[in-house]
Amino acid sequence: EAQVTQNPRYLITVTGKKLTVTCSQNMNHEYMSWYRQDPGLGLRQIYYSMNVEVTDKGDVPEGYKVSRKEKRNFPLILESPSPNQTSLYFCASSSSDREDAYEQYFGPGTRLTVT
Amino acid sequence: QKEVEQDPGPLSVPEGAIVSLNCTYSNSAFQYFMWYRQYSRKGPELLMYTYSSGNKEDGRFTAQVDKSSKYISLFIRDSQPSDSATYLCAMTNAGKSTFGDGTTLTVKP
Repeated sequence: EAQVTQNPRYLITVTGKKLTVTCSQNMNHEYMSWYRQDPGLGLRQIYYSMNVEVTDKGDVPEGYKVSRKEKRNFPLILESPSPNQTSLYFCASSSSDREDAYEQYFGPGTRLTVT
Repeated sequence: QKEVEQDPGPLSVPEGAIVSLNCTYSNSAFQYFMWYRQYSRKGPELLMYTYSSGNKEDGRFTAQVDKSSKYISLFIRDSQPSDSATYLCAMTNAGKSTFGDGTTLTVKP
């Protein structure tokens, strides 16, 4: 089954404790992206990657890191989480070799709470 | 000012009604225009996308883009209770994606 998986689905952590949210896709997509979704602020792009070893900042990259060492994986790293990073996070992927290059497939989401 | 503004809603309509969802944008560089549907506690799923001005139809859904006015719409005909969800407009330029805040639609039987 074609899918985007994220782990963990739920995470409660404390300020300053480094964490990684994993994202994996099995569709051989070149493009992957991370978003956060907050009430009243909508879905905002954090980082995106057009291919392996190629990453770019989205609209809200501060406080986050990403890496793309393999095509299928795109982990999101919070090196020193703060309470304002409490949010619902989504990973997405898309093929870049068709007309619908930006048809993004979203993962199920990771709800992160930083206390 | 946000690059993408979406009519906030919420919207509540009776079953069978025609629904109109709208977004405006300010960035002329946007190339693709999409509509996503998001059910509660799920990730967004793509409904439709368009690349240029004009209409695109898929069953009960019609997406409309007017690049000269920087305005996009999604029309839902014969709305069903299963259409109850949050609808997000989205636009892309190269790899960067910008979403509207979403409009929550409830279709009452």
